[in-house]
Amino acid sequence: LAKTTQPISMDSYEGQEVNITCSHNNIATNDYITWYQQFPSQGPRFIIQGYKTKVTNEVASLFIPADRKSSTLSLPRVSLSDTAVYYCLVCALLYGNNRLAFGKGNQVVVIP
Amino acid sequence: DGGITQSPKYLFRKEGQNVTLSCEQNLNHDAMYWYRQDPGQGLRLIYYSQIVNDFQKGDIAEGYSVSREKKESFPLTVTSAQKNPTAFYLCASSPLAGGRTGELFFGEGSRLTVL
Repeated sequence: LAKTTQPISMDSYEGQEVNITCSHNNIATNDYITWYQQFPSQGPRFIIQGYKTKVTNEVASLFIPADRKSSTLSLPRVSLSDTAVYYCLVCALLYGNNRLAFGKGNQVVVIP
Repeated sequence: DGGITQSPKYLFRKEGQNVTLSCEQNLNHDAMYWYRQDPGQGLRLIYYSQIVNDFQKGDIAEGYSVSREKKESFPLTVTSAQKNPTAFYLCASSPLAGGRTGELFFGEGSRLTVL
């Protein structure tokens, strides 16, 4: 099971781009990298998923280097409502290794 | 509307009592999960199930039990053997297709307080 390591917290000013890193040195060949966002007293919400290089959707971009031992979630022009905990999850293949264990996440605080 | 529903949202119980938290999904997802979250902490996996009538222990299964008699339902029982049951409990489901696990869909959570 690939473990993930993230910074505990970070602050950013409104309107700036925020880059959140995650280390997963033991990632396996078949693992995907998924990011979730969680607000207080709510369930996490899916943001983006990728396997390699770059993935972009309407909310964020995900950058994964060639060795896949880390990934970076990029949030463009954050607003106050982006204050949340962000989790990086390395998804093991289904059928036999589907534990989907989360790390402690990264608390992002957006400052006006 | 499709989604995942947890109940109750808040629950108070006395020490020594068993408690069952409900989780229902109408997304036709194969896999379902239970997580526990303590204040300021990440999510810890209690149990997961990939198919009806089968489930696996997660990282902190002691003091908990589950069943998966129907595809759409995955109730969690917090037994009196759980030493510190006060926490926020989250249920999730995901499709299993194309050889990998898809996006996790979470419920709104159940906050259990043991007095």
